[in-house]
Amino acid sequence: QQPVQSPQAVILREGEDAVINCSSSKALYSVHWYRQKHGEAPVFLMILLKGGEQKGHDKISASFNEKKQQSSLYLTASQLSYSGTYFCGTDKTGANNLFFGTGTRLTVIP
Amino acid sequence: SQTIHQWPATLVQPVGSPLSLECTVEGTSNPNLYWYRQAAGRGLQLLFYSVGIGQISSEVPQNLSASRPQDRQFILSSKKLLLSDSGFYLCAWRAGTDLYGYTFGSGTRLTVV
Repeated sequence: QQPVQSPQAVILREGEDAVINCSSSKALYSVHWYRQKHGEAPVFLMILLKGGEQKGHDKISASFNEKKQQSSLYLTASQLSYSGTYFCGTDKTGANNLFFGTGTRLTVIP
Repeated sequence: SQTIHQWPATLVQPVGSPLSLECTVEGTSNPNLYWYRQAAGRGLQLLFYSVGIGQISSEVPQNLSASRPQDRQFILSSKKLLLSDSGFYLCAWRAGTDLYGYTFGSGTRLTVV
């Protein structure tokens, strides 16, 4: 039930862009995205519910494809504060139980 | 505003000892509550979830158990800890709608020695 996340890790220089992907073998009810700083709890970024939906705030956005089997998180013009591990959480049934991917460690360097 | 409290922050326990971790939520009613475990450098594993008092569902068979004695209280327990129980335990809550994400507590770092 765990989604597949890629890449596992990425290193960016400030100002560069990154894309993190989250895939499921079956259609999903919803996808959540979270960011976790080292030693801290994950923090909610956004949720996508509808196929074809795109959301974003500031320079972080996400999409949910039409078949609702894949979501991508887009980070543009990265900042040092973007560093952390990004997790997607997927819900297949609408039962409000999230299964998380293994995470993508993003490091932004000056 | 809603807040979630989780304690203790760190815990070192010997193998075979019992465990009790507590989580409480303030400022909301009838939340969905969750326990996750994160092994070092790994993802989040769903352990238990609850949609109401006394209603517990388990995702992973193990020597852990959970209880929800009150609407906003969620407890994770074990009668005898194993070395493999070490990890970062996170409690989370969510309103019972689709619009909101999970809010996680600050976590308990458990080391079984």
